[in-house]
Amino acid sequence: GNSVTQMEGPVTLSEEAFLTINCTYTATGYPSLFWYVQYPGEGLQLLLKATKADDKGSNKGFEATYRKETTSFHLEKGSVQVSDSAVYFCALRGGSNYKLTFGKGTLLTVNP
Amino acid sequence: DAGVIQSPRHEVTEMGQEVTLRCKPISGHNSLFWYRQTMMRGLELLIYFNNNVPIDDSGMPEDRFSAKMPNASFSTLKIQPSEPRDSAVYFCASSFSGEKNQPQHFGDGTRLSIL
Repeated sequence: GNSVTQMEGPVTLSEEAFLTINCTYTATGYPSLFWYVQYPGEGLQLLLKATKADDKGSNKGFEATYRKETTSFHLEKGSVQVSDSAVYFCALRGGSNYKLTFGKGTLLTVNP
Repeated sequence: DAGVIQSPRHEVTEMGQEVTLRCKPISGHNSLFWYRQTMMRGLELLIYFNNNVPIDDSGMPEDRFSAKMPNASFSTLKIQPSEPRDSAVYFCASSFSGEKNQPQHFGDGTRLSIL
């Protein structure tokens, strides 16, 4: 079946530091890949997505590239801000399955 | 455009009481999902519907939980009787199931506390 593994947190960074949150997946066929962000007290929001190999999703300075050869979709940002503090979820949707398969989430805290 | 709307935002009740959570999906979406989120277990899919029909309810924890989708614009998740271990944040999400690159859109959740 489908599965998503993302790096365990928490991750604590200083403002303007470089961010990487690793995500790898297992799926049959050619899944679509997503990063969601959850700010405190809120629901999950779609941050970015990629639907085929070598696609790069980007939004709000965040990027992730769909790497089929390494089955990875790592999230990166060159310079984080305090407002980026949140929980980040990697997810995939594959084949005829309507469901999203989520990773366990990574808590990011950015200090001023 | 209005997003997924959930009500109530917060619910506090005593154990044994019936709890009903409500969800209005985004217009035009034909898949609806109920999730539960806790610190211990993370995000769990409870049930999902496609075209108002329950497709997979294997995540529903017990018979005390039930979900309905009487029409394309409304769904309920009911817990009867409620127990303290049901305390969690419950999210509803909707999407268009026709293409796999379509993301799910989440509501703001219902924070449920069972005393």
